[in-house]
Amino acid sequence: NAGVTQTPKFQVLKTGQSMTLQCAQDMNHEYMSWYRQDPGMGLRLIHYSVGAGITDQGEVPNGYNVSRSTTEDFPLRLLSAAPSQTSVYFCASSLPRQGVVGELFFGEGSRLTVL
Amino acid sequence: GNSVTQMEGPVTLSEEAFLTINCTYTATGYPSLFWYVQYPGEGLQLLLKATKADDKGSNKGFEATYRKETTSFHLEKGSVQVSDSAVYFCALNNQGGKLIFGQGTELSVKP
Repeated sequence: NAGVTQTPKFQVLKTGQSMTLQCAQDMNHEYMSWYRQDPGMGLRLIHYSVGAGITDQGEVPNGYNVSRSTTEDFPLRLLSAAPSQTSVYFCASSLPRQGVVGELFFGEGSRLTVL
Repeated sequence: GNSVTQMEGPVTLSEEAFLTINCTYTATGYPSLFWYVQYPGEGLQLLLKATKADDKGSNKGFEATYRKETTSFHLEKGSVQVSDSAVYFCALNNQGGKLIFGQGTELSVKP
């Protein structure tokens, strides 16, 4: 079973470049989200979506855009990369019960370096 | 706002030692509490959870009890193995339905 698939696994960008991190899930989960993981900071929520056509900001949304045109896909766009966006990015999905997010299923992560 | 605080790592133990990783939380209402584990080079995966006060979550020899009076959800294991070496994250779901994670605690188990 594929679960949550993220691409690419590794990427190096120069400051000012743009790119898209792809995330796809095959579990028909309504809820999808993007986190970044930095040393000593744990996981911080960037953006999330509770269904196709609906997105919202998390804790650290600046510099990132998202869209949700289908249930399966939730791409994360960096419009103008900055060194502060060097991080490991995780996509996660869930099937909320009564509107509450329970267990999250994570992808394997995308390691981004911005020079 | 809601938050989760974990004991700082790294924690280094010998095989078969007893493990405790402390987790305390601040929350309004009655959130569900979770422990996730991240093995090297992988994403996070759910280890155990508890949905109400006094619930005990357990899995793979790990246990944690939801203590409302002390706002804690400490992770314990009676005898750790080298294969338990990983980063452990405590988390809660807040009123907005999103999961909030602690900073993570790295565990290293030596043979």
